[in-house]
Amino acid sequence: QLQLQESGPGLVKPSETLSLSCSVSGGSLRTNSHYWGWIRQPPGKGLEWIGSIYYSGTTYYNPSLKSRATISADTSKNQFSLTLRSVTAADTAVYYCARRLVGRGFDPWGQGTLVSV
Amino acid sequence: IEMTQSPSTLSASVGDRVTITCRASQNVKSWLAWYQQKPGKAPKLLIYQASILQNGVPSRFSGSGSGTEFSLTITSLQPDDFATYYCHQHNSYSDPWTFGQGTKVEIK
Repeated sequence: QLQLQESGPGLVKPSETLSLSCSVSGGSLRTNSHYWGWIRQPPGKGLEWIGSIYYSGTTYYNPSLKSRATISADTSKNQFSLTLRSVTAADTAVYYCARRLVGRGFDPWGQGTLVSV
Repeated sequence: IEMTQSPSTLSASVGDRVTITCRASQNVKSWLAWYQQKPGKAPKLLIYQASILQNGVPSRFSGSGSGTEFSLTITSLQPDDFATYYCHQHNSYSDPWTFGQGTKVEIK
């Protein structure tokens, strides 16, 4: 059964860089037709897609983040990561990692990790 | 692409039939998913491609629509269904994938 688990610091200072990792178990990052993505949710608010990396390595980002986000994959560790630069209080949120199959929604999701700026 | 859900809050009783609507600002064909989220938990995928039920999701959930108008229906609301529901479009790789603002289904 595929499982995802986020990890990273829970507190980041303004103007610094947020770095999170998502460990994948029960499946491989290299599996055909899989997208691996990051979604965030500010406290009490809705969901915002940050970006995704396809199994081939192609990345897609939400332009609203103004190029501050980078998603990368380490297939040797079966992990993918999010880097968000120049954070502000507006970046305070629960950050989720999730898999999306081509043509489908995000499933499964990690449990989420709260990052405060 | 903006996704607008209505209503924002819905008060209902166990056994009620409830419908949530999601409108897209542009044609997203059938690339629309629905999620359920409970407090403190990650969202759970219910429906994808507008009307296909995810494995393990009860059949009282159904989705319909295409283009710009979509709906999620729960035919007989159960206690476990009180939650917030989100729609999500993933139509294009050149536009960001976006979520609706959510609909909270609460006990009447």
